[in-house]
Amino acid sequence: GQNIDQPTEMTATEGAIVQINCTYQTSGFNGLFWYQQHAGEAPTFLSYNVLDGLEEKGRFSSFLSRSKGYSYLLLKELQMKDSASYLCAGMDSNYQLIWGAGTKLIIKP
Amino acid sequence: GAVVSQHPSRVICKSGTSVKIECRSLDFQATTMFWYRQFPKKSLMLMATSNEGSKATYEQGVEKDKFLINHASLTLSTLTVTSAHPEDSSFYICSARDGGVAGPLPADTQYFGPGTRLTVL
Repeated sequence: GQNIDQPTEMTATEGAIVQINCTYQTSGFNGLFWYQQHAGEAPTFLSYNVLDGLEEKGRFSSFLSRSKGYSYLLLKELQMKDSASYLCAGMDSNYQLIWGAGTKLIIKP
Repeated sequence: GAVVSQHPSRVICKSGTSVKIECRSLDFQATTMFWYRQFPKKSLMLMATSNEGSKATYEQGVEKDKFLINHASLTLSTLTVTSAHPEDSSFYICSARDGGVAGPLPADTQYFGPGTRLTVL
């Protein structure tokens, strides 16, 4: 079956670094997406990885290991506005997104 | 680029009535649109995949006669919740996939509309 696992909730301190892990099992693989979703709003695209390695984009980076079925989202210099849910989604061979349940990130001052 | 609009953003209706939600891709042609629903503090649940000019593909457990989807053009898909009941109250989100390149994001990225919060009394 297809499955995406990520922690339910994480807490971090403003200015710190946090890593949100995601493991995936999909039928075929066409990439791994990370989306950010603030409460009551729709998800917004953060990153996409299809090859192994680290993709850096400002304060946010995403890593993929296809052999391990593993990805992480790294957030640096955390700001209060980063408090949100972070959704990991794997794209299968039919280009369908398989969604994780999301990780709620709580930032404390 | 790659903007998706959704209308209405919020709707309250009486039990038994029907509600139509529109999803539009504003600056690209979306051959495929997706309809999701999301309950509080839960992840997105895919309801159906809609391809322009053909019947929607519904996920298991989603009643196609209750959730009518029409994808009449490359920029518009509609979801009609028929005979709505309080248990249909939810956050409904559409997304559109641009198979080409609408911007700096990779092809097949889904662009989400802002969502519609439906409350059935």
